[in-house]
Amino acid sequence: DVKVTQSSRYLVKRTGEKVFLECVQDMDHENMFWYRQDPGLGLRLIYFSYDVKMKEKGDIPEGYSVSREKKERFSLILESASTNQTSMYLCASSGGVRNTGELFFGEGSRLTVL
Amino acid sequence: AQSVTQLDSQVPVFEEAPVELRCNYSSSVSVYLFWYVQYPNQGLQLLLKYLSGSTLVESINGFEAEFNKSQTSFHLRKPSVHISDTAEYFCAVSETGGFKTIFGAGTRLFVKA
Repeated sequence: DVKVTQSSRYLVKRTGEKVFLECVQDMDHENMFWYRQDPGLGLRLIYFSYDVKMKEKGDIPEGYSVSREKKERFSLILESASTNQTSMYLCASSGGVRNTGELFFGEGSRLTVL
Repeated sequence: AQSVTQLDSQVPVFEEAPVELRCNYSSSVSVYLFWYVQYPNQGLQLLLKYLSGSTLVESINGFEAEFNKSQTSFHLRKPSVHISDTAEYFCAVSETGGFKTIFGAGTRLFVKA
């Protein structure tokens, strides 16, 4: 089975802490994405990457950064967590020879910032 | 710019009744259209997609959606729902050849016994 794996399903952090969310895919996809999911707002794109070491801002990049040192791994970093970053974070990938934009998602990481 | 509107935030329905979840989109270019489903405490998974060709697409579990270009809609339907269909459903649009996918706000489907 193809897979996108997110390292932590649930995290609780304190305001001001640095937070790392890791995502690994085994499909050799070029494109990887980080979304944030909040009730009533759907999914909002934080950052995406279309190649190793490449990154592009999505719709809500403020307060976040990303790292893609290897093709299979895409990390989301909260430099100084704040309570308004409490949310569900979803990693996804897409790609292949006939890329249609279909996204493959991880299980999600639910972050609570106290 | 693209946008996706899901017209209902919640849809309660009795088991074995038909259901329609509505989705409208706007885009100035040609698009691919998707419905994703999210079961409780899980990530999203693809339910069905329209890329080209026949405007009616079907999933393996009885859902179908019809691409209507003139009305810019991609409504999801099922003639008879099951309790196990209770989930949140997301309509999504991506530009052909593009990287980004835009999602609607989601529709929570509650199937009652």
